[in-house]
Amino acid sequence: KAGVTQTPRYLIKTRGQQVTLSCSPISGHRSVSWYQQTPGQGLQFLFEYFSETQRNKGNFPGRFSGRQFSNSRSEMNVSTLELGDSALYLCASSIGQGGEKLFFGSGTQLSVL
Amino acid sequence: DQQVKQNSPSLSVQEGRISILNCDYTNSMFDYFLWYKKYPAEGPTFLISISSIKDKNEDGRFTVFLNKSAKHLSLHIVPSQPGDSAVYFCAASRGNAGGTSYGKLTFGQGTILTVHP
Repeated sequence: KAGVTQTPRYLIKTRGQQVTLSCSPISGHRSVSWYQQTPGQGLQFLFEYFSETQRNKGNFPGRFSGRQFSNSRSEMNVSTLELGDSALYLCASSIGQGGEKLFFGSGTQLSVL
Repeated sequence: DQQVKQNSPSLSVQEGRISILNCDYTNSMFDYFLWYKKYPAEGPTFLISISSIKDKNEDGRFTVFLNKSAKHLSLHIVPSQPGDSAVYFCAASRGNAGGTSYGKLTFGQGTILTVHP
């Protein structure tokens, strides 16, 4: 069974630009969550999607948004990039029942210059 | 407000000995706990989990202990191997309690484990 796939693996952007990251969950998994990892803040929860609906949200500004498609694939968008958005963005998938283990992808390393 | 804390940033252990990684939490609503292992620039890999109805769970060389009254859990690795060298994250979630935290794990800051040959 294929794992969680994230693309692209690396991304370099400049301040003010926007970026879209993609995530394909494990087959059969309907929940996709997004996390940001930075050296100072550790792993922080961004949001979770289930059946194309955002079901849970972390404490991030509105510049961070996402969506989920009918095939459970998800995209995350960050608009008006700031230097502090440089981070490893991780996608995780699960069946979606709550209180269960998440399976993570390898992440997208975003650098904002 | 850091609800999950790993107070030891690093741990160094000799190959073959026991590694004990500790984690404390403050939110009594957490009822499911997990340990992940992570290498730089990669996603976390699930190691082992424990539900709040248990106080111990074993999987091969890995054992997780949960002390609910102390809001403390620990991961024991016996025997430790050089390949175990990585960052270990403790995570917690609310499962079946009111307000299920779908897809949301609250992570500790991680402990860097180094196992010397």
